[in-house]
Amino acid sequence: DGGITQSPKYLFRKEGQNVTLSCEQNLNHDAMYWYRQDPGQGLRLIYYSQIVNDFQKGDIAEGYSVSREKKESFPLTVTSAQKNPTAFYLCASSRETGVTGELFFGEGSRLTVL
Amino acid sequence: GENVEQHPSTLSVQEGDSAVIKCTYSDSASNYFPWYKQELGKRPQLIIDIRSNVGEKKDQRIAVTLNKTAKHFSLHITETQPEDSAVYFCAASLYSSASKIIFGSGTRLSIRP
Repeated sequence: DGGITQSPKYLFRKEGQNVTLSCEQNLNHDAMYWYRQDPGQGLRLIYYSQIVNDFQKGDIAEGYSVSREKKESFPLTVTSAQKNPTAFYLCASSRETGVTGELFFGEGSRLTVL
Repeated sequence: GENVEQHPSTLSVQEGDSAVIKCTYSDSASNYFPWYKQELGKRPQLIIDIRSNVGEKKDQRIAVTLNKTAKHFSLHITETQPEDSAVYFCAASLYSSASKIIFGSGTRLSIRP
């Protein structure tokens, strides 16, 4: 069953702790993305990666870090430097190579920092 | 960088009526404009997209129009049904380089029975 899987679905952390959100896809897609969704603010781009071992900052990259060591995996670390980390995080991938195409989203991870 | 503005933030229409959601973008180089629908508790899904070489695209009850000169594009849903209730997001990007996709802030559409 092909798709994009995010884990965990819900996560609670204390302030000051780093946390890593997992994103795995078995669709053989080259491009992967991380978005943050807050009420009334839509989807804001955190980081994106067009190819293994390469990634670019989006509009709100401060306080986040990513890695792309494997084509199928694009984990996001929310660091203690992120001032307001409580949010819903969506990972996506795109099958198009060299062009911008349809995004396939995971089910999301809801992070709550206490 | 690109900035996408979307209006209205909420929209309520009578079942069977039409709904229109409008977006403007800032980067004149953008040439790919997708629309995503997110039902409550579910992931966003692409419903229609348009590239700048066409001015309008239609798929059954939904259509998208693009005015490149004015840098705005719109989603039109005709004969609305209860299952059209969702949050709709517009987005803009540069098609040719697998670049970042910037989303609008979303429109919550409610269909009144």
